[in-house]
Amino acid sequence: KQEVTQIPAALSVPEGENLVLNCSFTDSAIYNLQWFRQDPGKGLTSLLLIQSSQREQTSGRLNASLDKSSGRSTLYIAASQPGDSATYLCAVRPDRGSTLGRLYFGRGTQLTVWP
Amino acid sequence: EAGVTQSPTHLIKTRGQQVTLRCSPISGHTSVYWYQQALGLGLQFLLWYDEGEERNRGNFPPRFSGRQFPNYSSELNVNALELEDSALYLCASSVDLLVRNYGYTFGSGTRLTVV
Repeated sequence: KQEVTQIPAALSVPEGENLVLNCSFTDSAIYNLQWFRQDPGKGLTSLLLIQSSQREQTSGRLNASLDKSSGRSTLYIAASQPGDSATYLCAVRPDRGSTLGRLYFGRGTQLTVWP
Repeated sequence: EAGVTQSPTHLIKTRGQQVTLRCSPISGHTSVYWYQQALGLGLQFLLWYDEGEERNRGNFPPRFSGRQFPNYSSELNVNALELEDSALYLCASSVDLLVRNYGYTFGSGTRLTVV
């Protein structure tokens, strides 16, 4: 069974720091990996999608890498801002079997960026 | 382009009652997914509908059910509500499963409180 782990569970940093959020998964048979952001009580906003054949994706100050063989992904946030404060979730999509179509989520990293 | 829309946004029900939640996917998306996010438990997969059929189901009792209509919108029904059903219910949509380079888009959710 696919398990997704995110480290750290929480992170509190001053504005301007460069951050690294980690995600690991146990089964490398994935279609893709998606990073989401969730503000308190709200839905999920997709940040980056990395296909299994890709190594990284970039969007603005965000960069996500994927090492499928080792079951790891990293979300890098450059020059953090208070508006980046949210919970960041990593999710993988299996590419086979009865679990096809569903996402497996980590528990998230709760990020606080203070001015 | 309109995103995934869910209704209602908030709902308060009494234990034992029944509830119906609604979701409209992004235009052109044929798959709809339902997730439950209870406090402290992370995102739990409930149901996946594609082309009007249930394709996969998470580990939830039969009182959780749903359907997908010809216009691809979906309903989630929960019978005999229990206090632990209190959660944020999130709907997501995506295009055909074989389109690998497409992720999931989530709605803003329905906050269900059972008293």
